[in-house]
Amino acid sequence: DVKVTQSSRYLVKRTGEKVFLECVQDMDHENMFWYRQDPGLGLRLIYFSYDVKMKEKGDIPEGYSVSREKKERFSLILESASTNQTSMYLCASSRDRGRSPLHFGNGTRLTVT
Amino acid sequence: GQQVMQIPQYQHVQEGEDFTTYCNSSTTLSNIQWYKQRPGGHPVFLIQLVKSGEVKKQKRLTFQFGEAKKNSSLHITATQTTDVGTYFCAGPQQTGANNLFFGTGTRLTVIP
Repeated sequence: DVKVTQSSRYLVKRTGEKVFLECVQDMDHENMFWYRQDPGLGLRLIYFSYDVKMKEKGDIPEGYSVSREKKERFSLILESASTNQTSMYLCASSRDRGRSPLHFGNGTRLTVT
Repeated sequence: GQQVMQIPQYQHVQEGEDFTTYCNSSTTLSNIQWYKQRPGGHPVFLIQLVKSGEVKKQKRLTFQFGEAKKNSSLHITATQTTDVGTYFCAGPQQTGANNLFFGTGTRLTVIP
């Protein structure tokens, strides 16, 4: 069974801090994704990666960057956290983009004060 | 741009009543996936539909993919309290990246 692990369940950071959200998957999936989830807006794609060291912008990349140095690990970086980045962040992985299911981690609820 | 709309946004039902959520895409989809997110949890994959007019069942849940592959529905018969959660549909974006584009979800509350 695929396991996607996010390093933190809850995080509280201050405005302007640099924030790292880590995600690890154990199924050798090529594709990894970062979504944010906000009430009434559903899940919105921030960034994705289809291979090591490859990254692509999703629908809302502004204010975020990512890193994929190893196949199993995909990190989301908030260079300078702002209050409008308070949200639930969900990492996911999949075998084939658009055709196979996404496997999500438990999510990280980030609060920026 | 591509849109995937889900209705209703919220639904409250008495336990034992049926429930349906509808998903409509502005473009034709190669497939559609459904996910369930329990309160406090993360989305969990339920099913994928690929063929035009396809109908699939999982116990009390019935999933349909429209003939034009632009809409889909999830119907739950005789809801139970374990059905509580938010149900999302998702389809591949029409861009080359082919990533999943999620609907806004339907939050189901079941009143015992």
